[in-house]
Amino acid sequence: DQQVKQNSPSLSVQEGRISILNCDYTNSMFDYFLWYKKYPAEGPTFLISISSIKDKNEDGRFTVFLNKSAKHLSLHIVPSQPGDSAVYFCAASEGGGATNKLIFGTGTLLAVQP
Amino acid sequence: NAGVTQTPKFQVLKTGQSMTLQCAQDMNHEYMSWYRQDPGMGLRLIHYSVGAGITDQGEVPNGYNVSRSTTEDFPLRLLSAAPSQTSVYFCASSRQGSPNYGYTFGSGTRLTVV
Repeated sequence: DQQVKQNSPSLSVQEGRISILNCDYTNSMFDYFLWYKKYPAEGPTFLISISSIKDKNEDGRFTVFLNKSAKHLSLHIVPSQPGDSAVYFCAASEGGGATNKLIFGTGTLLAVQP
Repeated sequence: NAGVTQTPKFQVLKTGQSMTLQCAQDMNHEYMSWYRQDPGMGLRLIHYSVGAGITDQGEVPNGYNVSRSTTEDFPLRLLSAAPSQTSVYFCASSRQGSPNYGYTFGSGTRLTVV
């Protein structure tokens, strides 16, 4: 049973436009959410996170929105750049406790066209 | 600063062979984990450890063993490889109890079982 879902396997966007990547989760105990970016032949790298006490977190061109009632989060990239082309994974955990287990989604391949 | 180092980068095994995937980190992180990445499945947690001498199972532990004798090292053992274990394996580490930091991932081991 997939607890974290990314229903769009791929997304294509023009350079300079907004990229919106979506993620849904089913476990209401999740209270910390993260986005990772992965280039081919490399490990995922941490991008941005949000805790359930917030509904928005910004870091430069990247903003994550959290809608707890809908169990939905999204990552906005504005403006999109060709270097943003990568696979994006959302991930969720139950608090910052001892286990720190992260459950990942299936990923969305973003292609930013010049 | 090496971060998380995984060896080997590539490996081909015959069905039934055994091998150990190595993972080492130099950041004094308490938490370490192993994930496998498969097409359409995202990153799935195999085993994790919250400190030396402590390990636990993740989502897909069958066919894999781990141990954590030191803070730095977290090897993953395949006792009898099967074609279903063909995958890309990632090791990750983080400070315990603080998802704010996210995980630091290694660059992966691509394993093929024939």
